[in-house]
Amino acid sequence: DIQLTQSPSSLSASVGDRVTITCRASQSIASYLNWYQQKPGKAPKLLIYVASTLQSGVPSRFSGSRSGTDFTLTINNLQPEDFATYYCQQSYGTPWTFGRGTTVEI
Amino acid sequence: EVQLLESGGGLVQPGGSLRLSCAMSGITVTNYDISWVRQAPGKGLEWVSTFSASSSTSTFADSVKGRFTVSRDDSKNTLYLQMSSLRAEDTAIYYCAKDEWDYGMVVWGQGTTVKVS
Repeated sequence: DIQLTQSPSSLSASVGDRVTITCRASQSIASYLNWYQQKPGKAPKLLIYVASTLQSGVPSRFSGSRSGTDFTLTINNLQPEDFATYYCQQSYGTPWTFGRGTTVEI
Repeated sequence: EVQLLESGGGLVQPGGSLRLSCAMSGITVTNYDISWVRQAPGKGLEWVSTFSASSSTSTFADSVKGRFTVSRDDSKNTLYLQMSSLRAEDTAIYYCAKDEWDYGMVVWGQGTTVKVS
């Protein structure tokens, strides 16, 4: 199975900050890496697919990038509604696997 | 608007069975792949199964293989996750999601809670 190592597990930030979350795959997955946002008590929401494509309706302050097997989710100008847990997920091959999540806290 | 609605969760004893439903609106169950993803209390996301609409077959995580099955009722536009031989570690919120493979899980239901105790 493809392992995804997500870091950090949590971080503290303030409104207006730039936040970076990293996800490293255990093998090549090309660009088949997706990012989700989950708020407490809610279902996950797709933010970015194939590493860097913004899902429709997602604010442009969210961006994704890839360098080899390293993937990055960046949130610019952090907003109050962005405090949540973020997960990466690979869609290169089943079983689909997720990272362990990064909680962005105030 | 595409919507998925899970139901059927509840409290069940170890070794018991439960059937979860994923009712869809805005899409036809025969046209789209649907994944089940679960989240144990305070934990991360775990993929459980994906049902292929084209082949009407499912793939399962090793943790549930042989215990869980998936079926579809086209007349009700609903997908079912049949869970048997349930264990304490199956306790979780179960989500169904419209799975577009390369493009991620695009639409999620609100989840249904299963507690095995």
